[in-house]
Amino acid sequence: EAGVAQSPRYKIIEKRQSVAFWCNPISGHATLYWYQQILGQGPKLLIQFQNNGVVDDSQLPKDRFSAERLKGVDSTLKIQPAKLEDSAVYLCASSTGNTIYFGEGSWLTVV
Amino acid sequence: GENVEQHPSTLSVQEGDSAVIKCTYSDSASNYFPWYKQELGKRPQLIIDIRSNVGEKKDQRIAVTLNKTAKHFSLHITETQPEDSAVYFCAAGGGSGNTPLVFGKGTRLSVIA
Repeated sequence: EAGVAQSPRYKIIEKRQSVAFWCNPISGHATLYWYQQILGQGPKLLIQFQNNGVVDDSQLPKDRFSAERLKGVDSTLKIQPAKLEDSAVYLCASSTGNTIYFGEGSWLTVV
Repeated sequence: GENVEQHPSTLSVQEGDSAVIKCTYSDSASNYFPWYKQELGKRPQLIIDIRSNVGEKKDQRIAVTLNKTAKHFSLHITETQPEDSAVYFCAAGGGSGNTPLVFGKGTRLSVIA
């Protein structure tokens, strides 16, 4: 079974630039998550989708972060403009039921 | 919302000894408690989970216990091996409305050969 696919794996941008990350969940998984993991900390939920609808985006900094899952499968997470404190690993995950499966993550460095 | 506290933040044990990591949670509606292992530069991977209708679950050298009354759960690793060295995260969630998982801050386990 293929896992959660993410790209790009690594990205370095200057502050105030924009970046977009893409995620393809495990086939058949209706629920998709974006987590932010800052070095040395646990994953923090940014947004949760159920099919193409948003279930929880209470911790998404909506002034600079946006996410969509238009057809209920792939998802993109965008940051514009980026700040230094956005440097982190952005983990996409999907689930059916409670068990969450993570992708390898997209490592973002903002300089 | 849910808040998960995890202790200790770092743990060093001798190979063959046991390791115990403890977590507490705040939302009594949470009913799903997984543990993830994350090796350096890799994704978190589920190693064991427990649901609120079960007090203990075991899988070879790994066990998890849950005390719903006290709102805490623990990971026990016996006969530790160097390959157990990693960061371990607990999480809690799945309560009313299928609330998403909230993760602890992680425990860096070092197994010394």
